[in-house]
Amino acid sequence: GQQLNQSPQSMFIQEGEDVSMNCTSSSIFNTWLWYKQDPGEGPVLLIALYKAGELTSNGRLTAQFGITRKDSFLNISASIPSDVGIYFCAGLSGSSNTGKLIFGQGTTLQVKP
Amino acid sequence: GAVVSQHPSWVICKSGTSVKIECRSLDFQATTMFWYRQFPKQSLMLMATSNEGSKATYEQGVEKDKFLINHASLTLSTLTVTSAHPEDSSFYICSALVAGGIYEQYFGPGTRLTVT
Repeated sequence: GQQLNQSPQSMFIQEGEDVSMNCTSSSIFNTWLWYKQDPGEGPVLLIALYKAGELTSNGRLTAQFGITRKDSFLNISASIPSDVGIYFCAGLSGSSNTGKLIFGQGTTLQVKP
Repeated sequence: GAVVSQHPSWVICKSGTSVKIECRSLDFQATTMFWYRQFPKQSLMLMATSNEGSKATYEQGVEKDKFLINHASLTLSTLTVTSAHPEDSSFYICSALVAGGIYEQYFGPGTRLTVT
């Protein structure tokens, strides 16, 4: 079945540093979503991407939908302690607007004050 | 906007009993909702897709008679874990698709189920 490879698996960075994570697949996706999950909570939608090449920002977060439609990346600039959590990419394939998402394995981010 | 609630947030039950978890979209209509299960330090595992007014579609390996799903209205879906066993202990998360328009899937806060 379809799979998303998310990397890195974990990151430990200093406060103020920039962070980059990405997801790749051998399959084409029509929508990419990025979520953040805090411990014991449900994932929170950060950014949604709908067109190949689309670059979207949400505050210090920037995400891009790869031109090939097989990858996406998320950047966090000037990290702060509250950025700590698990970040998941998720892709939607097919033309249905009610389809299910395929999730990456997650990137665990730790920020040292 | 786009808030999804779950109730209860945590529940402890005895083995053999049934537990119902509710998922509500508070400020939007959702013709499609999803139920996920998440083990510690793992990604989300889709259990089933719940469509308003029709039977749920279960993922391979998920027992439909054990995990009963009812999507009674455009804002409510329920998951009932029947005859729960300790191995059913997990974090259950629902999500809802905003009806119409672009694809946006919002998650509830999750329900921690512990079966003793």
